[in-house]
Amino acid sequence: GENVEQHPSTLSVQEGDSAVIKCTYSDSASNYFPWYKQELGKRPQLIIDIRSNVGEKKDQRIAVTLNKTAKHFSLHITETQPEDSAVYFCAALNNNAGNMLTFGGGTRLMVKP
Amino acid sequence: GAVVSQHPSWVICKSGTSVKIECRSLDFQATTMFWYRQFPKQSLMLMATSNEGSKATYEQGVEKDKFLINHASLTLSTLTVTSAHPEDSSFYICSARTYLGLAGNNEQFFGPGTRLTVL
Repeated sequence: GENVEQHPSTLSVQEGDSAVIKCTYSDSASNYFPWYKQELGKRPQLIIDIRSNVGEKKDQRIAVTLNKTAKHFSLHITETQPEDSAVYFCAALNNNAGNMLTFGGGTRLMVKP
Repeated sequence: GAVVSQHPSWVICKSGTSVKIECRSLDFQATTMFWYRQFPKQSLMLMATSNEGSKATYEQGVEKDKFLINHASLTLSTLTVTSAHPEDSSFYICSARTYLGLAGNNEQFFGPGTRLTVL
């Protein structure tokens, strides 16, 4: 089955700096890679996703890159703000194998004002 | 985006009792619903996948007789934790997905979660 590794587990940045979170996956057949933001006690919220036919996607201060050959994808947050503080999860999904999401271990991002 | 609700949001029960958690898709038909468990400071762990009208598929290590899942309609799935024990205390989150044909929109919409505390 799929295995998703996420690093780092915690990340502390100064407000205004950039934050980068990296994930690797094991199943080369995975073709959909969403990123979720989860605040304490709340539901995961989809913030951006990328499909395997695209190498990069950007939405305002958030971008995701995908390297299919290396089987890794990254989340980039620029100009971080205190409200970006949360736990971020990457995930991978194989359309052709049950459509189940496999989550990374999560990254606790702290943005210091 | 689509809305998924969960009820109750928080439940405290005595050891040995059963607890039912409902997951509803409010504005779309969910062909598939997923149940996750999340322990503090940990990731979401998939427990089972349920498709409307069929038996749930459980992940390895999840006892199907302890965690009963029913997906009786395209908008409702229930998870019943039977004979709950303190080690079952966790945050249970459902998600729902609808398949939009070849466009293959795989986005899952998460419920707000149910915090279960077993005394």
